[in-house]
Amino acid sequence: QQQVKQSPQSLIVQKGGISIINCAYENTAFDYFPWYQQFPGKGPALLIAIRPDVSEKKEGRFTISFNKSAKQFSLHIMDSQPGDSATYFCAASIESYGQNFVFGPGTRLSVLP
Amino acid sequence: SQTIHQWPATLVQPVGSPLSLECTVEGTSNPNLYWYRQAAGRGLQLLFYSVGIGQISSEVPQNLSASRPQDRQFILSSKKLLLSDSGFYLCAWSVTAGVVGAYNEQFFGPGTRLTVL
Repeated sequence: QQQVKQSPQSLIVQKGGISIINCAYENTAFDYFPWYQQFPGKGPALLIAIRPDVSEKKEGRFTISFNKSAKQFSLHIMDSQPGDSATYFCAASIESYGQNFVFGPGTRLSVLP
Repeated sequence: SQTIHQWPATLVQPVGSPLSLECTVEGTSNPNLYWYRQAAGRGLQLLFYSVGIGQISSEVPQNLSASRPQDRQFILSSKKLLLSDSGFYLCAWSVTAGVVGAYNEQFFGPGTRLTVL
């Protein structure tokens, strides 16, 4: 029940296209859902996050869509750029317990020029 | 501002040798600290986390151990390395209690690339 599932495992998108990564969870106590971006050889860094009181959060070209009833959330990258090529991790936590995240297995995104 | 350091950046060790990886955090006090391992092309496996000096929680059984001798120092050790210990080791920190309405996050260090031969 602590698991966060993520798909696809890898994704190839043309420059200017939309990248979509999906995640699903089982534990209904989760109330904080961040996305992390990791470039090769670097540590992950927070990209964007959402709480279940909203269905969508947008920051620039990055949007999280959240479906509480389906226990699913997704990351959309609009106008994908080669510089977006990285591994993306979704995560979930119970905020009152602190920042002990359960991470998804990751999606390797490649944006072709 | 807060910074997190890890060293060494890369390490090549023979099977059966000991290991000591160090992580330190600056600019904050009483952080939660975490050790993760990332195999090549794989996800983040939480190994240990600590909520205070001397307090270590282990997430998976392995031949690794962790210690927190000081508030902002976290050490990952092994007495005898296995081939399967190869990977990218990441240390992270977070505040103990998040801020309501803000982005609450784990801040990751630059990582240590460990190759066991």
